[in-house]
Amino acid sequence: DTAVSQTPKYLVTQMGNDKSIKCEQNLGHDTMYWYKQDSKKFLKIMFSYNNKELIINETVPNRFSPKSPDKAHLNLHINSLELGDSAVYFCASSQGNGQTQYFGPGTRLLVL
Amino acid sequence: DQQVKQNSPSLSVQEGRISILNCDYTNSMFDYFLWYKKYPAEGPTFLISISSIKDKNEDGRFTVFLNKSAKHLSLHIVPSQPGDSAVYFCAASVNGGYNKLIFGAGTRLAVHP
Repeated sequence: DTAVSQTPKYLVTQMGNDKSIKCEQNLGHDTMYWYKQDSKKFLKIMFSYNNKELIINETVPNRFSPKSPDKAHLNLHINSLELGDSAVYFCASSQGNGQTQYFGPGTRLLVL
Repeated sequence: DQQVKQNSPSLSVQEGRISILNCDYTNSMFDYFLWYKKYPAEGPTFLISISSIKDKNEDGRFTVFLNKSAKHLSLHIVPSQPGDSAVYFCAASVNGGYNKLIFGAGTRLAVHP
C-alpha cells in the first residue's frame, strides 16, 4: 500500500530514445510534482500539476513532457534522451496548498 | 544561485549524543521550512516542518529551530540513534508559490555506536 509509487525503478537506455516514467499516489492528494536529482545531489523541481492542470513549469527542455490523466497519476515522457538526462527522478504529491510533499522512491535513469 | 544552503556535507555523531544539522536561506519570502531524511536508493521522507510564525517545533526526538532574523534553521536530534544515519535535506517554500520546494544540498549524518 505504497503512498507514492513510481515505475520503473531503474531505466537504462540509449541516447536518442524516448522513454516514460509513471507515478501514482493513493493519498487522495490533488497536487503532484516531478523533481530531478542530478549528479551533485541537488533536488530541483521540474513540474507540478494541480487537479490535472499544469501550475509549475520550470526551465526544463521541451523534450520533457508531463501528462496527468487524473489526479492520482502524473507521468513524465522524455523524448530524444541525452547523456545529461541521467539522474534520479522523484515524483511527489501534496494536498491542495498544503506545503508538505510526500515523495516516491525515485526512478534511476541512465542514458548511455 | 542557491537559495537554501547546507554548508556541512557530512556530520559524524556518537550514539546517544545530540546531532545538530544546520541550514541557511537567502530568500526572505520563504515562510515554510521542512526537513527530509533520505536513505540510499529511497525517496526523501518527510521528517518535520516549521512555519515562519513559529521559532520552534518539536516531534519526539526531533526539534527544528527557526531564526528568521539570521535566516537560519537547525534540526536537533536527541538522542541520536544508528538508524538516524541518512542524508538530511532542508527545504523551503513560499506560501502561494504553488508549493515549489527549494532544497539544500543535503548533509550526510553518520551515527556510530
